[in-house]
Amino acid sequence: DAGVIQSPRHEVTEMGQEVTLRCKPISGHNSLFWYRQTMMRGLELLIYFNNNVPIDDSGMPEDRFSAKMPNASFSTLKIQPSEPRDSAVYFCASKTHTWGTEAFFGQGTRLTVV
Amino acid sequence: QQQVKQSPQSLIVQKGGISIINCAYENTAFDYFPWYQQFPGKGPALLIAIRPDVSEKKEGRFTISFNKSAKQFSLHIMDSQPGDSATYFCAAVSTGNQFYFGTGTSLTVIP
Repeated sequence: DAGVIQSPRHEVTEMGQEVTLRCKPISGHNSLFWYRQTMMRGLELLIYFNNNVPIDDSGMPEDRFSAKMPNASFSTLKIQPSEPRDSAVYFCASKTHTWGTEAFFGQGTRLTVV
Repeated sequence: QQQVKQSPQSLIVQKGGISIINCAYENTAFDYFPWYQQFPGKGPALLIAIRPDVSEKKEGRFTISFNKSAKQFSLHIMDSQPGDSATYFCAAVSTGNQFYFGTGTSLTVIP
């Protein structure tokens, strides 16, 4: 398996633009997480899906952020409109729902909003 | 609100020394405590994990110590090597399968 695949790896956009980050989880994994990594706050859990259903989105910073998982093999995180403070590395991770198993992370998307 | 508090933020250790990273949590619903290692430009990857019914787990040079009553756990890296230089994240996992990570510790092992 190729692991968790995220695209793009890098994104530079202007303030106010819409940004869409994409994630393909590992086949067979039914839990998917989106995280944001910054120096100040480390890895922040943004949203968690189980079987394509959002279970906990309490970490989504504000209404500008939205996430979808239309099927078991694809998820998106959208920021509209983007702001400079959204600049961070965004990670997607997936795992099976079995307790105590590893969450596998993608390589991340480095977002820069100028 | 930070669910898991991690310290120190950065750590510099001589080759062969012991690296110690500490974490604390409040939510007693957490029941699985993994540590992840992250190299520059990569996503975090599982290093070692412990359940709360165990006080210590050792895998090679890496040991987790767990104090359930104090709600604290720590990672010890024995005989630290330059290749161990990375960012380390502790995490706490709820019964609902949500992973909450600490803020990370940047470890540098000096040859």
